[in-house]
Amino acid sequence: EPEVTQTPSHQVTQMGQEVILRCVPISNHLYFYWYRQILGQKVEFLVSFYNNEISEKSEIFDDQFSVERPDGSNFTLKIRSTKLEDSAMYFCASTIRGDAYNSPLHFGNGTRLTVT
Amino acid sequence: AQSVAQPEDQVNVAEGNPLTVKCTYSVSGNPYLFWYVQYPNRGLQFLLKYITGDNLVKGSYGFEAEFNKSQTSFHLKKPSALVSDSALYFCAVRDHSGAGSYQLTFGKGTKLSVIP
Repeated sequence: EPEVTQTPSHQVTQMGQEVILRCVPISNHLYFYWYRQILGQKVEFLVSFYNNEISEKSEIFDDQFSVERPDGSNFTLKIRSTKLEDSAMYFCASTIRGDAYNSPLHFGNGTRLTVT
Repeated sequence: AQSVAQPEDQVNVAEGNPLTVKCTYSVSGNPYLFWYVQYPNRGLQFLLKYITGDNLVKGSYGFEAEFNKSQTSFHLKKPSALVSDSALYFCAVRDHSGAGSYQLTFGKGTKLSVIP
């Protein structure tokens, strides 16, 4: 069964540095998402992406964050000037083409970001 | 705004006994409701969804959930728990009101422990 893959599985960075989290969504999916989960807390929506542009973003997704689909397979989340509170598990997800409202999300295994 | 409440941080159940994980929601329109399961160091996996129609929804691994509009609830159930069901369970909602939101709002999760 096709899967969403994320790399790296764990990223350690120093405060103020830039990180790029990478995701390869399922190949025939058209809607892409980033969510994050701070340790022990709920999963929070960051951004959705469709047709090479952001379709929706949350209050968390400020100017520090950006997303990109640089080629036909990768979907990246860039965090500029990381802060301690950015430490979390970041999940990429995708949904199949069609009605993205009721299609279940397919999640990757996540990237654990630790900012020191 | 949409929200989800999972009132129990943890549910303990003996193997072979029925289990229930509670979820209530709040949306302005009609809800799309989902349950996801998260095993350690893994991404969220889709279990089941309610879109419309029969209030009792059956999903993966013998799980089912009942949509109750009057109580705005979507409790997850299984007739006979297995030790392998031990995991973190997330309820999620998306508003079907036509606001155009792709955002899936998650509850904070309920840790299910099935005791042998």
